[in-house]
Amino acid sequence: QVQLQESGPRLVKPSQTLSLTCTVSRGSISSGDYYWTWVRQPAGRGLEWIGRVYTNGGTNYNPAFKGRLTVSLDTSKNQFSLQLKSVTAADSAVYYCARERGYDPTPLEYSYYLDVWGRGTTVTVSS
Amino acid sequence: QSVLTQAPSASGTPGQRVTISCSGSTSNIAGNAVSWYQQFPGTAPKLLIYSNNQRPSGVPDRFSGSKSGTSASLAISGLQSEFEADYYCATWDDSLNALVFGGGTKLTVL
Repeated sequence: QVQLQESGPRLVKPSQTLSLTCTVSRGSISSGDYYWTWVRQPAGRGLEWIGRVYTNGGTNYNPAFKGRLTVSLDTSKNQFSLQLKSVTAADSAVYYCARERGYDPTPLEYSYYLDVWGRGTTVTVSS
Repeated sequence: QSVLTQAPSASGTPGQRVTISCSGSTSNIAGNAVSWYQQFPGTAPKLLIYSNNQRPSGVPDRFSGSKSGTSASLAISGLQSEFEADYYCATWDDSLNALVFGGGTKLTVL
């Protein structure tokens, strides 16, 4: 079973860039019909989908982050990464990386779901 | 404010059947399948249901999902104290072009 592990600085200063990496093990990031996704969860609050990168490098971003966000793939290292610019205290959260699958179970609807998750890493934005 | 609406809390007694609802709109649940996630404090979410009513390998059949129109439901039968957790629904939103989550429902076993 594929495993995901987040890594990166746990403390980021306001206005700087938050950078995280997710290392994929027991599977290749470039094989299969998968998206590689970032989700975050502020303390005591719900889940928020940030964005994803497909195996061909194509991306989708949550409009709430557009202009600040880059999600990219590094197939040589079997990793994908998140860069969030101009962070504020509101960006403090547990950040999860996950594998996302998509397919059409019926001709009338599409299904996207997150089937494998990393353990998460807590990032605090503070001076 | 979450795009999908869930009641913040639900409760039941051991052995009871509990239903958690998720309400959306024509831009999300109506045209896309729903998934459900279980999260215990301090741990990552776990996929419980995908494609409205499919269970991943290892998820007991006491968990079931359904969808009708712009709403979806997660049913848990034979409630046990070990099911106390937060439960989230999610689906794709065609207007936002993003995956959206419900605000989560905290399940308490009395």
